[in-house]
Amino acid sequence: NAGVTQTPKFRILKIGQSMTLQCTQDMNHNYMYWYRQDPGMGLKLIYYSVGAGITDKGEVPNGYNVSRSTTEDFPLRLELAAPSQTSVYFCASSYPSVWAEAFFGQGTRLTVV
Amino acid sequence: EDKVVQSPLSLVVHEGDTVTLNCSYEVTNFRSLLWYKQEKKAPTFLFMLTSSGIEKKSGRLSSILDKKELFSILNITATQTGDSAIYLCAVEFKKTSGSRLTFGEGTQLTVNP
Repeated sequence: NAGVTQTPKFRILKIGQSMTLQCTQDMNHNYMYWYRQDPGMGLKLIYYSVGAGITDKGEVPNGYNVSRSTTEDFPLRLELAAPSQTSVYFCASSYPSVWAEAFFGQGTRLTVV
Repeated sequence: EDKVVQSPLSLVVHEGDTVTLNCSYEVTNFRSLLWYKQEKKAPTFLFMLTSSGIEKKSGRLSSILDKKELFSILNITATQTGDSAIYLCAVEFKKTSGSRLTFGEGTQLTVNP
């Protein structure tokens, strides 16, 4: 019953450091997504993937990279962390166009200082 | 540019009150509108609406879509403190590489005893 698992749950980075946010799902969903949520705001799409080997930019992709080598995993990479990337990051997965069955991970709270 | 606008951004009521949350949108290739409830962590799905004028109900919550006016409302009757959360509206629209969700900023609902 794992669903969507994100790690870590919480991280503090210094400006210029790099890190990878991990996301794994065990539901065999084709679609996976990375969102960020700033305080008092809705979710902004960073990158998404419609299947292994296929990724595409969302609304706010600058400063991030993704890869999708397997159906299960969709890591998000921050190469040079900036304070503007302080946010809560959510990974989600779904079957194609079945958003009523989308599952969200529990979020990663990232602070860049 | 695709956008989803929610109002009010925050709302404070007393237990037992009825509240109406609003969501308007401008997207091309609309497919569906979804409502999510977000407490401390990940958003959880409430409703998906695809057709105008058909009310969806779940307990004290109900929602309806007007595709002509590009508008949806979420009603909560006899509110309880457990209804305190951020309510997110999202619109699914079709892109060449599959469908995507655009989220509104959310409405922060606080229900006081």
